Amino acid sequence: DAGVIQSPRHEVTEMGQEVTLRCKPISGHNSLFWYRQTMMRGLELLIYFNNNVPIDDSGMPEDRFSAKMPNASFSTLKIQPSEPRDSAVYFCASSWFGQGGAETQYFGPGTRLLVL
Amino acid sequence: GNSVTQMEGPVTLSEEAFLTINCTYTATGYPSLFWYVQYPGEGLQLLLKATKADDKGSNKGFEATYRKETTSFHLEKGSVQVSDSAVYFCALLNQAGTALIFGKGTTLSVSS
Repeated sequence: DAGVIQSPRHEVTEMGQEVTLRCKPISGHNSLFWYRQTMMRGLELLIYFNNNVPIDDSGMPEDRFSAKMPNASFSTLKIQPSEPRDSAVYFCASSWFGQGGAETQYFGPGTRLLVL
Repeated sequence: GNSVTQMEGPVTLSEEAFLTINCTYTATGYPSLFWYVQYPGEGLQLLLKATKADDKGSNKGFEATYRKETTSFHLEKGSVQVSDSAVYFCALLNQAGTALIFGKGTTLSVSS
């Protein structure tokens, strides 16, 4: 398996622009997670989906952030408009969640976002 | 609520030294516990896990024992290598069993 795939790996944009981050989870996994990592705040869970449905978005910083999962093999995290304080590494992770509970989360390589 | 506390870093060691990274948690019940490792420029990888009290997780020479009495899951390795230099994250599975709660991470730097 190719693992969790994220694109782009690096993104540089100007304040006010729209940014879209993409994620392809591991085939067969039914849970998908978006995290943000910064030096100041560490690793933060933004939102997670189970069976393509958002379960908990309490970590989404504000209305400028939105996430979708239109099918089991694709998710996007959108920031509109972007601000310099959004600069961070954004990780996507996936796992299988069943009656036995959640299994190991597998992380993608991350998207390094810089907003100027 | 659930939370994980890790020792502040960075931890700087010489090759072949003994490593301990402390991790304690606050949770309802006895959640599954994890250690993840992040090498420079990469995503997090599962290092080891323990799903119940007194379990010992181990991988690549690293070990951690689930201690419910002290609510701890300290990571240890008897002899570190330069290639172990990375950031280590302790985590627990939330009560619903749906998401991980991570500590802030501890940076380990090993020199030869």
